Amino acid sequence: DAKTTQPTSMDCAEGRAANLPCNHSTISGNEYVYWYRQIHSQGPQYIIHGLKNNETNEMASLIITEDRKSSTLILPHATLRDTAVYYCIVRVAAMNYGGSQGNLIFGKGTKLSVKP
Amino acid sequence: DTGVSQNPRHKITKRGQNVTFRCDPISEHNRLYWYRQTLGQGPEFLTYFQNEAQLEKSRLLSDRFSAERPKGSFSTLEIQRTEQGDSAMYLCASSLLEGQYFGPGTRLTVT
Repeated sequence: DAKTTQPTSMDCAEGRAANLPCNHSTISGNEYVYWYRQIHSQGPQYIIHGLKNNETNEMASLIITEDRKSSTLILPHATLRDTAVYYCIVRVAAMNYGGSQGNLIFGKGTKLSVKP
Repeated sequence: DTGVSQNPRHKITKRGQNVTFRCDPISEHNRLYWYRQTLGQGPEFLTYFQNEAQLEKSRLLSDRFSAERPKGSFSTLEIQRTEQGDSAMYLCASSLLEGQYFGPGTRLTVT
């Protein structure tokens, strides 16, 4: 079963920041937080991952609370093309699992609708 | 384009027939994954390869399903004696370290 809890759906106005929350209260010390998204009729797309420090890349920022029990994915200036289902996943880092536990466990995610 | 490719993109077959899907990962990626996704659900893990070795299989992967990655490059997923419940999107992903990169999927419809 997925180890994360996310809201079922969210709306965001185009050009505004989209803040997607995720609860992962049972996260272990060696588990990372990963975010993927899936635009309709496409395969999932990797966005970002982090352990405990905040991370930023060209797509998004990831803010992880100090106790690591929750995180927020931030899309700073949402566009209509960001409309998708966003999945928050916790998992041992690939470099640490030595070939086993390779799979991602997807929940139902958050359906983000960006509106004009 | 250097992304993950999957063929065919769509497959319609009659119940009881065998089908085979192909996945070509990103060239330098040593890890390859197969997932299945039904309507309204997130992808479900099926199996995982590191190079040519199949290291993990989900209990979803019944004995009618078999996957291979003979030379550690492309992979095939075969479903024998298809059933209507096999209708789904079959997704392939590859990775080198962190971040799995997914292909567009093969949509299977069993009639």
